[in-house]
Amino acid sequence: EMQLVESGGGLVQPGGSLRLSCAASGFSFSSHWMYWVRQAPGKGLEWVSKIDYDSTLTHYADSAKGRFTISRDNAKNTLYLRMDSLRVDDTALYYCVGVRPGCWGQGTLVTVSS
Amino acid sequence: QAVVTQEPSLTVSPGGTVTLTCGFSTGAVASGHLPFWFQQKPGQAPRTLIYDSNNKYSWTPARFSGSLLGGKAALTLSGAQPEDEADYYCLLFYDNVAVFGGGTHLTVF
Repeated sequence: EMQLVESGGGLVQPGGSLRLSCAASGFSFSSHWMYWVRQAPGKGLEWVSKIDYDSTLTHYADSAKGRFTISRDNAKNTLYLRMDSLRVDDTALYYCVGVRPGCWGQGTLVTVSS
Repeated sequence: QAVVTQEPSLTVSPGGTVTLTCGFSTGAVASGHLPFWFQQKPGQAPRTLIYDSNNKYSWTPARFSGSLLGGKAALTLSGAQPEDEADYYCLLFYDNVAVFGGGTHLTVF
C-alpha cells in the first residue's frame, strides 16, 4: 500500500523557519517526481514545489521562490521542505504528494502567528 | 502566472450526469498540460481520480471519466451517487509550473 507520512509542522512566529519531512513507502519513491501542495484553512489547493527523481530539477511557485527549498533523500525514501522567512499567509496544511502515482499524505499543519 | 478556472459549484441529481470543466487563461487545454483531477471530501486529504486527461487509477470508480472537451479538460460523472458530493480540483502543468484550479463544489441533490 502506498503511504506518505508528513511531519515537522507546528506553530512558528513570522520570520521563522521550519523543515517538513515526508516518509514514503509502498511505491518506487526514487522513480517519481515529488510535490508539496498546501491548503490554507477553508481554501483550495495550491502547488508549492516539485523535485525530479534525482534532485537535478526543482521548481517553485512564485509564493515559495527564494524562501522555500525542496529536497529529497532517495536512500531514505524521504522528501523535505525547508521553509524560511515564514509569513502569516503561509499558514496551511502542507501535503506531500506523489502526483503521478496518485498518492497523498494526510498533511502537516503549519501555523505562522505571533 | 496563468489561471486555471473551474465552475465554483454544480448540482447533480442522484443517478444523473454532470460534467466539470477546467479551463486555462493562456488558451486551450491540451494533452501536454497533463490534466489531473482530484476529489476532496470534508476533513480528508484529496484523492487522485484521473491522470493525463483520461486515465484512471485502480481505485477510480468507473462512473468517473476524463476528457478534453471544447478546449478544456473535463471530468464527467455518470450516475452520481450521494458519496460523490465533494470538492473537485483539476491540475495543469506548463513551463515547469503546476497550477490548480479553484475547485468545484459538487452537490448531489
